[in-house]
Amino acid sequence: DAKTTQPNSMESNEEEPVHLPCNHSTISGTDYIHWYRQLPSQGPEYVIHGLTSNVNNRMASLAIAEDRKSSTLILHRATLRDAAVYYCILNSYTGANSKLTFGKGITLSVRP
Amino acid sequence: GAVVSQHPSWVICKSGTSVKIECRSLDFQATTMFWYRQFPKQSLMLMATSNEGSKATYEQGVEKDKFLINHASLTLSTLTVTSAHPEDSSFYICSAKRTGMGGYTFGSGTRLTVV
Repeated sequence: DAKTTQPNSMESNEEEPVHLPCNHSTISGTDYIHWYRQLPSQGPEYVIHGLTSNVNNRMASLAIAEDRKSSTLILHRATLRDAAVYYCILNSYTGANSKLTFGKGITLSVRP
Repeated sequence: GAVVSQHPSWVICKSGTSVKIECRSLDFQATTMFWYRQFPKQSLMLMATSNEGSKATYEQGVEKDKFLINHASLTLSTLTVTSAHPEDSSFYICSAKRTGMGGYTFGSGTRLTVV
């Protein structure tokens, strides 16, 4: 699986936008970019995913670089409940057993 | 939609006993389910992939005789930790992939403590 690189941590202020970067320079043409987040003592939660075009949903936006070697998860207004570990994962969905491999993720802290 | 229920949420067992963890997809069929383990301050580590009606595929270094996985139906997979020891204490998380779709849904996890 192609690897992703994320900063270890980031701090933000409540109600301000947050941009979480992810580098994936070895991404292949069939790799989707996924973002999951994990709150303390809970299982991961799907946030968003995309292939080439920018994506928006009720939780966040995903901005994908034109060369697809990097992406940014955007939380438009951070809340205290957004404090979590955010994982950027590549997955090509190839085969019935395609699996998600988690890296270290980025720990987001939100200041009141 | 796409809810995965994991039970129990926490369990304490004595060393040498076995513990079974259930993972159910409540509103969809899951051809494939995944089991992860997470130690404190660490990321999720994939243990095995289970497919309905067939043997699980274990990741390198995971003992298949110790971590028994059964995926008898399209909505249920179980992980049994046999002869548990304190070093098996961890947070176990299951994930299900919707048949024919790419999304992955995770259970809420099971905190296992072996004393």
